[in-house]
Amino acid sequence: EVQLLESGGGLVQPGGSLRLSCAASGFTFSSYAMSWVRQAPGKGLEWVSTLSGSGSSTYYADSVKGRFTISRDNSKNTLYLQMNSLRAEDTAVYYCAKCPGSTGYSTFEYWGQGTLVTVSS
Amino acid sequence: DVVMTQSPLSLPVTLGQPASISCRSSQSLVFSDGITYLNWFQQRPGQSPRRLLYKVSNRDSGVPDRFSGSGSGTDFTLKISRVEAEDVGVYYCMQGTHWPLTFGGGTKVEIK
Repeated sequence: EVQLLESGGGLVQPGGSLRLSCAASGFTFSSYAMSWVRQAPGKGLEWVSTLSGSGSSTYYADSVKGRFTISRDNSKNTLYLQMNSLRAEDTAVYYCAKCPGSTGYSTFEYWGQGTLVTVSS
Repeated sequence: DVVMTQSPLSLPVTLGQPASISCRSSQSLVFSDGITYLNWFQQRPGQSPRRLLYKVSNRDSGVPDRFSGSGSGTDFTLKISRVEAEDVGVYYCMQGTHWPLTFGGGTKVEIK
């Protein structure tokens, strides 16, 4: 059974940093691209970033480019999202999602339960 | 960016009656491999999103056959043949053909 468990969310001040983690199990982690998708309170879904299975290809939404960094440790079956220079508009539940292949980015097959990031002074 | 436009925003439905959600994209979603990467997700209240359909009309494992998807190019539809209480929630279409990946704004399905 595929399981994705996010952690690392919390309250951070504007301009601060936070690192999210997503622990994966139930599949061969290194064989699949992974993504982060966020949802602001009461709003819709917004794709944030995607990383290929090998970690060699990264993709970012313009809204986070230059501030967020996606990475993975295939030996630990864990996906990360390093978030710097955080803004109030980054406040959201952040979901980790599994993609359909190592370089298959067209959909999100499975989602985690999400972790809430609140950016506020 | 490809804009995904869903309608209606809200859909009150009587139990046992059909429901239909439209999703239109600002560009064709046919990829260079000939496949149309259009997905539908369901988000029940208080839950994470769950994929229902991918590549327009392929149902995920465990998804009831009352859910169906159709369409081509820029015009797509999600249909629920007979709405049940467990179908309450917000439905999102999402295109996986062009970067950046984009979602529709969502359609809230509720019981009348």
